[in-house]
Amino acid sequence: DAGVTQSPTHLIKTRGQQVTLRCSPKSGHDTVSWYQQALGQGPQFIFQYYEEEERQRGNFPDRFSGHQFPNYSSELNVNALLLGDSALYLCASSIGPNTEAFFGQGTRLTVV
Amino acid sequence: EDQVTQSPEALRLQEGESSSLNCSYTVSGLRGLFWYRQDPGKGPEFLFTLYSAGEEKEKERLKATLTKKESFLHITAPKPEDSATYLCAVQDSGAGSYQLTFGKGTKLSVIP
Repeated sequence: DAGVTQSPTHLIKTRGQQVTLRCSPKSGHDTVSWYQQALGQGPQFIFQYYEEEERQRGNFPDRFSGHQFPNYSSELNVNALLLGDSALYLCASSIGPNTEAFFGQGTRLTVV
Repeated sequence: EDQVTQSPEALRLQEGESSSLNCSYTVSGLRGLFWYRQDPGKGPEFLFTLYSAGEEKEKERLKATLTKKESFLHITAPKPEDSATYLCAVQDSGAGSYQLTFGKGTKLSVIP
């Protein structure tokens, strides 16, 4: 049983560029949440998608946007990258919005 | 605003030396409290969910307990492979509230 898979695993981008990160949820899961984790910090909630709609959004600017596809996979897009966007981006999936969330291995984004 | 504070920030134990990690939380209403284990550069691995005060869950050398204001993760006779960062998170029971609010974690090192 494949768990949550994220791609790519590492990414280096230049300030001002745009990036798209991808997530495939665990088999049987229909809800995807995205988190940003800076070094030495706990994950910070970006947003959650359920039934292809954004259900809740954390305290992140509009430069962060997302999408969920009919097969429940999801994308996170970040525009106009800043140096401060460098972090580990985590995708978590669950069965519905309020059950245990299982995380992928993350995408390490470095903005230079 | 939901808040989670974990202590200590770091803990060094000798192999076999039992101890506890603390997670203090503030929420308007608790839907669930979650414990995760995170290895360096990896995504968090789900350990336990606790829903109500007095509840306890066990898995191998780990036991999680919950009161109305805090949770403890007890580690009995730890082994070097238990070395990791342990994260605590809460989910608020408010309508439309799905996010996990994480603490900064406790970095556990178990010395052979």
